[in-house]
Amino acid sequence: EDQVTQSPEALRLQEGESSSLNCSYTVSGLRGLFWYRQDPGKGPEFLFTLYSAGEEKEKERLKATLTKKESFLHITAPKPEDSATYLCAVSRETSGSRLTFGEGTQLTVNP
Amino acid sequence: NAGVTQTPKFQVLKTGQSMTLQCAQDMNHEYMSWYRQDPGMGLRLIHYSVGAGITDQGEVPNGYNVSRSTTEDFPLRLLSAAPSQTSVYFCASSSRLGTGTYNEQFFGPGTRLTVL
Repeated sequence: EDQVTQSPEALRLQEGESSSLNCSYTVSGLRGLFWYRQDPGKGPEFLFTLYSAGEEKEKERLKATLTKKESFLHITAPKPEDSATYLCAVSRETSGSRLTFGEGTQLTVNP
Repeated sequence: NAGVTQTPKFQVLKTGQSMTLQCAQDMNHEYMSWYRQDPGMGLRLIHYSVGAGITDQGEVPNGYNVSRSTTEDFPLRLLSAAPSQTSVYFCASSSRLGTGTYNEQFFGPGTRLTVL
């Protein structure tokens, strides 16, 4: 059974204070690891897909990295508008587009 | 493009009532899916479809029915609502990348359902 565990559950940062969110996964035959951002009362918004260990992707203040067991979402010099819940999900080679999600990390950035 | 749209945004039902949650996408995506999101449990897959006329069960299908008569629409039916079905429901879609593989999923805004 595929498993995705995100840590920490919640994280409070001061504006400008860089940090990382962790996503540990267990999946037989990883096809892709996905990061989403979710604002309160809204649907998840796609951020990144990572396909193989060593891969990195960046978007503004966010950078996602992938190893064979986990992924990190690094947030550099965050701003209050980065406050959201960040979700990690995996898909298996044999399962098409089926995603298994973690429970998310709720990030709050204080001004 | 409107992307993925869902109606209604909010719904309150009594136990035993039935209803249909609507989902539509205008991106010509082959893959569509329904998730429910509950506190402490993350998003869980209910049903999915890889194309018109093809549907399959996800992780938590009991009490829900789906059909896919067109590429654009993927309604979710609650046959006899129960309080355990109180949740936020999200529809998502993605395009095909290759045989059996798909791109990232795009999500709708969600339907918040309360069953009394």
